[in-house]
Amino acid sequence: ILNVEQSPQSLHVQEGDSTNFTCSFPSSNFYALHWYRWETAKSPEALFVMTLNGDEKKKGRISATLNTKEGYSYLYIKGSQPEDSATYLCAFTMDSSYKLIFGSGTRLLVRP
Amino acid sequence: EPEVTQTPSHQVTQMGQEVILRCVPISNHLYFYWYRQILGQKVEFLVSFYNNEISEKSEIFDDQFSVERPDGSNFTLKIRSTKLEDSAMYFCASSTGTGYGYTFGSGTRLTVV
Repeated sequence: ILNVEQSPQSLHVQEGDSTNFTCSFPSSNFYALHWYRWETAKSPEALFVMTLNGDEKKKGRISATLNTKEGYSYLYIKGSQPEDSATYLCAFTMDSSYKLIFGSGTRLLVRP
Repeated sequence: EPEVTQTPSHQVTQMGQEVILRCVPISNHLYFYWYRQILGQKVEFLVSFYNNEISEKSEIFDDQFSVERPDGSNFTLKIRSTKLEDSAMYFCASSTGTGYGYTFGSGTRLTVV
């Protein structure tokens, strides 16, 4: 069974703190790793898609890294703001497949 | 910014009834998907659609489910005879390719009573 694990399940931080989450996925037949940001009552929003081992992507204060050999990705948020509060989902796709296999998400709450 | 639109946002239906969930994907996207999330569980893949045919489907997507792109803009998911366990949030998504981020709609909450 293909499984994607995310940790921690939830995280409460103070405004200004930097934080990071982990996504673990099967390393065989890897094609791409996606990160999504999902605010309550809204649609999941694509943050990054990474395909190559060692990829690093950045969007403002948010960045992500990818290690396909050991099967993990980190998402970093520098200087968290209350508007960063959301669930962060990772999902991976296998070679020759169209489907995203999702983790359970990390719920981030940033206190002012 | 272009959006994926889903209607209705919430639907309540009697067990055994047919439901059609509607989606308008982004116009220049080529790949279309349906996912669902049962309360408290992970988001799970149902089906992908490309070039007017199903390209991949999950074990969940049995004969009770069907998809259609009737007019080049809409993309529908039909459940023929709903069961209580079909209650979930159903998301439509579209993308330009499999190596690109998907654009999701805001979902249809289906409640089967």
